[in-house]
Amino acid sequence: AQSVTQLGSHVSVSEGALVLLRCNYSSSVPPYLFWYVQYPNQGLQLLLKYTSAATLVKGINGFEAEFKKSETSFHLTKPSAHMSDAAEYFCAVTPLPQAGTALIFGKGTTLSVSS
Amino acid sequence: KAGVTQTPRYLIKTRGQQVTLSCSPISGHRSVSWYQQTPGQGLQFLFEYFSETQRNKGNFPGRFSGRQFSNSRSEMNVSTLELGDSALYLCASSPPDSLHGYTFGSGTRLTVV
Repeated sequence: AQSVTQLGSHVSVSEGALVLLRCNYSSSVPPYLFWYVQYPNQGLQLLLKYTSAATLVKGINGFEAEFKKSETSFHLTKPSAHMSDAAEYFCAVTPLPQAGTALIFGKGTTLSVSS
Repeated sequence: KAGVTQTPRYLIKTRGQQVTLSCSPISGHRSVSWYQQTPGQGLQFLFEYFSETQRNKGNFPGRFSGRQFSNSRSEMNVSTLELGDSALYLCASSPPDSLHGYTFGSGTRLTVV
């Protein structure tokens, strides 16, 4: 069975500082991994996805993530935080490359950015 | 192009009632999935429909049901509402190749009193 663990339910950084949000997955087959962001009272927006191509994935808004099979990790990073990055971030895994397969989400990490 | 549209945005219902939520996917997307989001349980998969057929179902009681129409629009229904059904219900659509990811709507906030 697949599962996702997000370490740290809340991360606080200063504006301009590095953002690092941790995600570890468990999967018996090669996984497809996603990071989503959720702003208050909104749905989920796809930041980036890993689908077995390049292990370093670049997404929107300056975010990127690196797939490390040996560590079963897919951590999300951004070199310099912006106030507008404050939101909740979800890591998700799905085992099959086809529509309809359920996404399995982590519990989420709330990112706070202070000036 | 238009995104995933969910209606209504907010609902307040009384215990024991039933409710129907609607989701219109992105044009051309034939797969529609539903998720429940609560502070305690997080995001949980309810079910997925493709070409009017339920292909996948999560671990929810039979009070939760859904359907999909020929135009790919989907509805989910919850009967005999319980307080614990209060949640944000999110709909997501995807093209046949999910490598493009899933596009979510803004959700329907259901409050059961």
